[in-house]
Amino acid sequence: DAKTTQPPSMDCAEGRAANLPCNHSTISGNEYVYWYRQIHSQGPQYIIHGLKNNETNEMASLIITEDRKSSTLILPHATLRDTAVYYCIVILRGGNTPLVFGKGTRLSVIA
Amino acid sequence: EAQVTQNPRYLITVTGKKLTVTCSQNMNHEYMSWYRQDPGLGLRQIYYSMNVEVTDKGDVPEGYKVSRKEKRNFPLILESPSPNQTSLYFCASSFFARETQYFGPGTRLLVL
Repeated sequence: DAKTTQPPSMDCAEGRAANLPCNHSTISGNEYVYWYRQIHSQGPQYIIHGLKNNETNEMASLIITEDRKSSTLILPHATLRDTAVYYCIVILRGGNTPLVFGKGTRLSVIA
Repeated sequence: EAQVTQNPRYLITVTGKKLTVTCSQNMNHEYMSWYRQDPGLGLRQIYYSMNVEVTDKGDVPEGYKVSRKEKRNFPLILESPSPNQTSLYFCASSFFARETQYFGPGTRLLVL
């Protein structure tokens, strides 16, 4: 799986959009970009994933650049409950090697 | 509601006293796994199971056992716990190994 680079921490004002970047410059054509988050000591929670196209669901939007070397997770209206560590993972489906979550970005939503 | 459940959520025990942490999922997932999470070390996989009666070691299997007798259950067994197994444990499941993972709420274990 390609390595990812994320900023260690970010702040966001409540009600504003939170834009979390992820760099995955060595991604290959059939690797997916997944985002999970972990709210303090709870189990990681799946947010969204994509291959090439931008994706949106009820939680967030995922914007993947045309060259696929980076992506941005967007929480459109951040709330205090979105304070968490956000993990960007690049995954080649198939096989059974464990996922590597890395250190992620600690997002603090501030009132 | 689709979910992964773990029990107990919190456990304090003493060195050498066998314990089992249960994990159950109601999504008919083939793949289940156990992770431990320690400060500064992130999530590390202990064991995984591709299907009933099929289990294999992850990155940190020493001191742990698992079994998969039924599709929905994947218990984690510590036959002789030691203080270095004090950690936060998560069970996860998915349809296949590297598909979207669904995690349980976690079990915080303290071994004295």
